[in-house]
Amino acid sequence: GQSLEQPSEVTAVEGAIVQINCTYQTSGFYGLSWYQQHDGGAPTFLSYNALDGLEETGRFSSFLSRSDSYGYLLLQELQMKDSASYFCAVREYDYKLSFGAGTTVTVRA
Amino acid sequence: GAGVSQSPSNKVTEKGKDVELRCDPISGHTALYWYRQSLGQGLEFLIYFQGNSAPDKSGLPSDRFSAERTGGSVSTLTIQRTQQEDSAVYLCASSSGLAGVGDTQYFGPGTRLTVL
Repeated sequence: GQSLEQPSEVTAVEGAIVQINCTYQTSGFYGLSWYQQHDGGAPTFLSYNALDGLEETGRFSSFLSRSDSYGYLLLQELQMKDSASYFCAVREYDYKLSFGAGTTVTVRA
Repeated sequence: GAGVSQSPSNKVTEKGKDVELRCDPISGHTALYWYRQSLGQGLEFLIYFQGNSAPDKSGLPSDRFSAERTGGSVSTLTIQRTQQEDSAVYLCASSSGLAGVGDTQYFGPGTRLTVL
């Protein structure tokens, strides 16, 4: 079967940097995605890594190491609106996403 | 449409009743997915459609669950003889269906199902 491990919650202050780690064991691997979900809302796509290395999109960056079955999402210059749940998801086949349980990020003033 | 839409947004039903959940994907998206999310949990894959066919139904929890898609567009997820453990948010997503890297899935707002 598959398993994805990520911390259950992280708390940080505005302006800080938060790193959410994700380790995975899956039967297939095409790439690692990250989704953000605000309370009561739909998951929204943040980033996708198919190859090793760092992908930067504004304040958010995502990293992948395929050899270590590990990735992380880096949130910089935290803002209150970044308070949400963040999910890593492995694309196991060309369509199937398997999700972690999510990390709740709470940003304090 | 502009995004994925789902209806109803909320559904309360009695144990043993059947329910139908609807998903309207983004126009032109050939791939459609159903997921289930229990409170405080991640998303659990249920089924995947490419066009009108479902190559992967492996996530459907039991034979009480079925789904269909017609015209390569709207999909309906049906749960028969609902049980309390079926209570969850049911999320639909769609994507362009292009095989390979980066086929981003776009999610609808979900249907919150409560079985009393």
